[in-house]
Amino acid sequence: DIQMTQSPSTLSASVGDRVTISCRASQSISSWLAWYQQKPGKAPKLLIYQASSLESGVPSRFSGSGSGTEFTLTISSLQPDDFATYYCQQYNTYFTFGPGTKVDIK
Amino acid sequence: QITLKESGPTLVKPTQTLTLTCSFSGFSLSTATVGVGWIRQPPGKALEWLALIYWDDHESYSPSLRDRLTITGDTSKNQVVLTMTNMDPVDTATYYCARYSSSSLVFHSWGLGILVSISS
Repeated sequence: DIQMTQSPSTLSASVGDRVTISCRASQSISSWLAWYQQKPGKAPKLLIYQASSLESGVPSRFSGSGSGTEFTLTISSLQPDDFATYYCQQYNTYFTFGPGTKVDIK
Repeated sequence: QITLKESGPTLVKPTQTLTLTCSFSGFSLSTATVGVGWIRQPPGKALEWLALIYWDDHESYSPSLRDRLTITGDTSKNQVVLTMTNMDPVDTATYYCARYSSSSLVFHSWGLGILVSISS
């Protein structure tokens, strides 16, 4: 099984901050990685796939990078709508989600 | 516009079988590259993928739950059904269905989810 880890588990930030979330796979997954945003009581929303491809309609302040086992989600300038939990997901072998990173207000 | 909606029981007794239905619109399961998957999320915990059915009726299951899961599709009704046997309180979760694309290999659109509690 491919295990996914994320850091930090919680991140406190202010509007306008540059935010970086890390995701690590237990083995190489090439670029088969997606990022989802989830708000309380809501379904996850796809932000990024294939490590760096922006889903249609997602603001350009979101970007993804990485390959192999190390990946990063960056929000260039945090907006009020961005306070949420973010999950990475590998799809190299089946599908596995990371434990999530909660971005809350500092 | 693509929409998905999960339906089924919200309370199930231990050892019983859970049957959930995903009703969708805005796409067809008979279209090449389309699939529908199920993902669950226990309260306060992370997401867990369960199963996926492809446009060609190919099925894929989580290795850890394979023995308990069955996914079927009905293209005429635009529905996908997930059955999960031998339910246990640890299976209490919000169950989501989502549209999958075999072009991008990810879940693009999700339903709102249904909270299923397992309790006697």
